[in-house]
Amino acid sequence: EPEVTQTPSHQVTQMGQEVILRCVPISNHLYFYWYRQILGQKVEFLVSFYNNEISEKSEIFDDQFSVERPDGSNFTLKIRSTKLEDSAMYFCASRGDRGGGYTFGSGTRLTVV
Amino acid sequence: GESVGLHLPTLSVQEGDNSIINCAYSNSASDYFIWYKQESGKGPQFIIDIRSNMDKRQGQRVTVLLNKTVKHLSLQIAATQPGDSAVYFCAENTGTGRRALTFGSGTRLQVQP
Repeated sequence: EPEVTQTPSHQVTQMGQEVILRCVPISNHLYFYWYRQILGQKVEFLVSFYNNEISEKSEIFDDQFSVERPDGSNFTLKIRSTKLEDSAMYFCASRGDRGGGYTFGSGTRLTVV
Repeated sequence: GESVGLHLPTLSVQEGDNSIINCAYSNSASDYFIWYKQESGKGPQFIIDIRSNMDKRQGQRVTVLLNKTVKHLSLQIAATQPGDSAVYFCAENTGTGRRALTFGSGTRLQVQP
């Protein structure tokens, strides 16, 4: 069964450093998403990406965040200057053009110290 | 309203019993709903979905019921097994491909052997 792959599984970074979280969505999917989940809380939407541009973003997704699809397979989330409150699980998801369920990756646990 | 924080509502059932997990949604424009299962340290895993033109959909051991009048969604799990222990989230969106999901706050299901 096709999977969404995320790397690394765990990233520890110092406050103020830049991090890049990587995702390989399902190959024939067209819609890509980043979500985050602070420990013990619900999954929160960050940004959606379609046709090589951001189609929707939440209030969380401020100027410190950016996304990129640098080639035909990778989808990245960059946080320019991490803050302690950025510590969370970050999930990538993708969806095909015929609707249906969104497939989530296993997540990257980001710990900012 | 939704609960936010470290304390998820918990449903504890005996192995073999049926489980019913409930979810209230607030957006009357939502027309697509999904139930996800999340095990510790993993990403949300698709269980079953339903569109607003239906009020019931069945899968293998799972049934989703949708009541649009009161904006209520439920997930029924038949013959609950220890492997069903997880946090269950409902999610909704307005159906177009690029729209992001809005997640509920989750319910923890504990299955006692």
